[in-house]
Amino acid sequence: DAGVIQSPRHEVTEMGQEVTLRCKPISGHNSLFWYRQTMMRGLELLIYFNNNVPIDDSGMPEDRFSAKMPNASFSTLKIQPSEPRDSAVYFCASGTRAGDTQYFGPGTRLTVL
Amino acid sequence: GNSVTQMEGPVTLSEEAFLTINCTYTATGYPSLFWYVQYPGEGLQLLLKATKADDKGSNKGFEATYRKETTSFHLEKGSVQVSDSAVYFCALSDDNTNAGKSTFGDGTTLTVKP
Repeated sequence: DAGVIQSPRHEVTEMGQEVTLRCKPISGHNSLFWYRQTMMRGLELLIYFNNNVPIDDSGMPEDRFSAKMPNASFSTLKIQPSEPRDSAVYFCASGTRAGDTQYFGPGTRLTVL
Repeated sequence: GNSVTQMEGPVTLSEEAFLTINCTYTATGYPSLFWYVQYPGEGLQLLLKATKADDKGSNKGFEATYRKETTSFHLEKGSVQVSDSAVYFCALSDDNTNAGKSTFGDGTTLTVKP
């Protein structure tokens, strides 16, 4: 199994630009999670989906952030417009059911100049 | 709501020393408990887990026992190696959450010196 796939692995952009992060979960997993990790704030859950439906987006920091899951094999996290404080590592994880392991992707390191 | 509190770091040990990282939790249901490890530049990966009281999870020489009476899941290893240097996260997943959402601790950074 290929595991959770994220792209790009690194993204450098300028303030005000739109950024789109992509995630392909493990086949057969029906839950998908987006996290952000920084030194200051640690690991934060932004949003999660179950069967392609957003369940809880209370962790999304601002309206500049949006996430979609158009099908079971693909999700995007978009930041528009981006700001320097959005610089972080963004992880996607997938899982199956309550009480089960989450499988993390390698992350996307975002730098907003 | 659910919460996880783990030992503050960073923790620095010499090779072959004994490791304990404390973790306690608060949960409304009967959660599964996990330890994840994050090596530099990588995502989190499962180290071990336990799904019910008194279960012991183990992997790569690490162990943790699910203690319901003390709501704890402390991570231990008898003899650490330099390659164990990483960030360790304690987590729980409540079986009332159908989507498998987990609550993570803040992470403890372990550095093992030769």
